[in-house]
Amino acid sequence: QSVLTQPPSVSAAPGQKVTISCSGSSSNIGNNFVSWYQQLPGTAPTFLIYDNNKRPSGIPDRFSGSKSGTSATLGITGLQTGDEADYYCGTWDNSLSAVVFGGGTKLTVL
Amino acid sequence: VQLVQSGAEVRKPGASVKVSCKASGYGFTSYHMHWVRQAPGQGLEWMGIINPSGGGPTTYAQKFQGRVTMTRDTSTSTVHMELSSLTSEDTAVYYCARSVRPHSHLGGMDVWGQGTTVTVSS
Repeated sequence: QSVLTQPPSVSAAPGQKVTISCSGSSSNIGNNFVSWYQQLPGTAPTFLIYDNNKRPSGIPDRFSGSKSGTSATLGITGLQTGDEADYYCGTWDNSLSAVVFGGGTKLTVL
Repeated sequence: VQLVQSGAEVRKPGASVKVSCKASGYGFTSYHMHWVRQAPGQGLEWMGIINPSGGGPTTYAQKFQGRVTMTRDTSTSTVHMELSSLTSEDTAVYYCARSVRPHSHLGGMDVWGQGTTVTVSS
């Protein structure tokens, strides 16, 4: 059971928008920055969003992040088949003194 | 900026394994290094973090305390992760990942190694 809660799967058609939620508590999301990672099949994770809503260089603005209270959200617009991947949220947990991840969300672009 | 990990390993139950991660393209001692693993078909699991400058304690996830040791060699810009008393449940891909902020464990992991597959089987 992961400390952060994500939906197991989401799906949408090409060109559409999708959001992926990540729910935590005051010991993690509520008091720390959230980051997001994309993992394409058979590859290492890549850095997608940091500090809740900042994009590293090279990440298109189709990807966005937000945080409110103890929850965070990843948004992807203009969906492409190449966006099919697993997406993970992560943050520091002050009570555990550890990085915690969500269980991951599999995105299917129909 | 690149992290290159050592090759796949196969171990018997009860043995130990040591995985290496060589950094290049940036100031090795300026960025903390995380270790994350992923069992087959499962999600990401954080194992711990080491400060390559040697300042401050190395932090391990509670689950792995007593069984994992993270070290660094500044002469070769390499961090190592050794896991002992292996069981079949330790079969996973092990990743090193650089902390995004200099001198901080916070903010996420911006550069990842390619992963090292460790298989534990009798």
